[in-house]
Amino acid sequence: DIQMTQSPASLSASLGETVTIECRASEDIYNGLAWYQQKPGKSPQLLIYNANSLHTGVPSRFSGSGSGTQYSLKINSLQSEDVASYFCQQYYDYPWTFGGGTKLELK
Amino acid sequence: EVQLVESGGGLVQPGRSMKLSCAASGFTFSNYGMAWVRQAPTKGLEWVATISYDGSSTYYRDSVKGRFTISRDNAKSTLYLQMNSLRSEDTATYYCTREATVAFFDYWGQGVMVTVSS
Repeated sequence: DIQMTQSPASLSASLGETVTIECRASEDIYNGLAWYQQKPGKSPQLLIYNANSLHTGVPSRFSGSGSGTQYSLKINSLQSEDVASYFCQQYYDYPWTFGGGTKLELK
Repeated sequence: EVQLVESGGGLVQPGRSMKLSCAASGFTFSNYGMAWVRQAPTKGLEWVATISYDGSSTYYRDSVKGRFTISRDNAKSTLYLQMNSLRSEDTATYYCTREATVAFFDYWGQGVMVTVSS
């Protein structure tokens, strides 16, 4: 199975700050990577797919980048509604696997 | 608007069975692969099973293979997950998801809780 390692596990940032979350795959996943946001008590929502494509309706302050085994999610100008957990997922090979998640809080 | 509404969860004893359903609307159900993803309390996300748009292909994680069966009824726009021989480690919120063409999950239901306990 492809292991997905996310960092950091938790993060505290101020409003307006830029935040970056990293995801490392145990092997090359050829940009088969998605990012999800899960607000407290809610179901996950797709943010980014194919490593850098923004899903419909997602604010442009979210962006994804990376290649090979290293990927990142960047949130520009952090807003209060961005408080959530974030998960990466690889879909290069079965079984689809997720990172352990990053919990983002406001400082 | 895409909507996925799960039902059928609850408390079940270890070794017993339970069937989850997911009613889909707002899109052409028969055009999309569908999947179940679960999340144990305060834990991360775990893919469980996928079924192709026409039901001809199914895929499972190893820990549920032989115990869980994913199926669909395209005439009713409904996805199912039959869970047999349930174990305590199957306790989780189960999400019905639509798989985009390239196998990420572009829409999620609200989730249904399954608790396996005596």
